[in-house]
Amino acid sequence: DSGVTQTPKHLITATGQRVTLRCSPRSGDLSVYWYQQSLDQGLQFLIQYYNGEERAKGNILERFSAQQFPDLHSELNLSSLELGDSALYFCASSLDTGIYGYTFGSGTRLTVV
Amino acid sequence: DQQVKQNSPSLSVQEGRISILNCDYTNSMFDYFLWYKKYPAEGPTFLISISSIKDKNEDGRFTVFLNKSAKHLSLHIVPSQPGDSAVYFCAASVGTNDMRFGAGTRLTVKP
Repeated sequence: DSGVTQTPKHLITATGQRVTLRCSPRSGDLSVYWYQQSLDQGLQFLIQYYNGEERAKGNILERFSAQQFPDLHSELNLSSLELGDSALYFCASSLDTGIYGYTFGSGTRLTVV
Repeated sequence: DQQVKQNSPSLSVQEGRISILNCDYTNSMFDYFLWYKKYPAEGPTFLISISSIKDKNEDGRFTVFLNKSAKHLSLHIVPSQPGDSAVYFCAASVGTNDMRFGAGTRLTVKP
């Protein structure tokens, strides 16, 4: 158990639908990062939050949005889902700077049918 | 926009020998580099890092080398063990935010 909790572990949904992925960071960590891993692809950085504020943005589609709540948990919202959105979505956390690396959760596998 | 590249999707080595995993990057602003290891059904776990002010960092069997002029880093595992079999991701960032990952190299260590 890395200390980063992601729910649900698996999600199957239809095209056009909207889903919410949830992440609870490791205790004490202020930064939360979201990554997408498609088949045979590396980890694509989506977005980072630090203590409730957006800090960095990567290749996140306009159909996707995220937020970090006062209790530091984060949610990634994916809407108007397409088949190509099927992927593993990882959440990671770090104390602040991530100088000792990020701690990743075990991921949410999203399948869009 | 693949700023971090791992050109070898897989590598197979014999137990006890050296494993060398390679990574190239294009963004000269990157100043912090890490390696992560990933087992199936788990998230990546941090393995070792190096900042751009160094050219080598060692932690037990794992050593990371950084060649800034070539924009290249490598991970050496000596000696390799069957438990090292996993996917290894190279990552780089400016500072420690917005970390970019390579596509990963699957290492298989044969007994």
